[in-house]
Amino acid sequence: NAGVTQTPKFQVLKTGQSMTLQCAQDMNHEYMSWYRQDPGMGLRLIHYSVGAGITDQGEVPNGYNVSRSTTEDFPLRLLSAAPSQTSVYFCASRGRGEQYFGPGTRLTVT
Amino acid sequence: TQLLEQSPQFLSIQEGENLTVYCNSSSVFSSLQWYRQEPGEGPVLLVTVVTGGEVKKLKRLTFQFGDARKDSSLHITAAQPGDTGLYLCAGDRGSNYKLTFGKGTLLTVNP
Repeated sequence: NAGVTQTPKFQVLKTGQSMTLQCAQDMNHEYMSWYRQDPGMGLRLIHYSVGAGITDQGEVPNGYNVSRSTTEDFPLRLLSAAPSQTSVYFCASRGRGEQYFGPGTRLTVT
Repeated sequence: TQLLEQSPQFLSIQEGENLTVYCNSSSVFSSLQWYRQEPGEGPVLLVTVVTGGEVKKLKRLTFQFGDARKDSSLHITAAQPGDTGLYLCAGDRGSNYKLTFGKGTLLTVNP
């Protein structure tokens, strides 16, 4: 039981490049979400999903896309990276009670 | 407008001291969670409080949910260097499992 896994751990992008942050969970949780964490801003919800095929926007969705084709996977796509997207990104999954976070991806956009 | 206000933002104390961290809101939450996050890692859930007035203890940590379910506190007795970390509170308003996070309290316990 690996919990929530995220790849990559670190990534550097140039402005305008695209990439996908991967997230997977093996706890059969229906609810998954993506957060970004910035100094002084706390954790802010980007997108979330309440089950396969269902996604919705969180607090700061602009510049990010998500899809949920399976219960296990919830990738986050940056279509055209901007310096403002430099942050640490956390994926999380939640069952009936506890929410589990992945180890994070530290993204730098230059 | 920040839905959940945490205070203090930073706290640096000596080993053995007691401390309290607060999480306040003008909104009512169906439950409130406390997390601890260490550098380079994701937040880890410490406790969930659900009932107004509820008190939960986890070794030297005591968590309380306000009677009106709008605020919570975390009290640490005889803090140790291993308690160092970022403490986050998160409120659940009962719809779609979405959590709202406070900005966190960065605690440093010096030996």
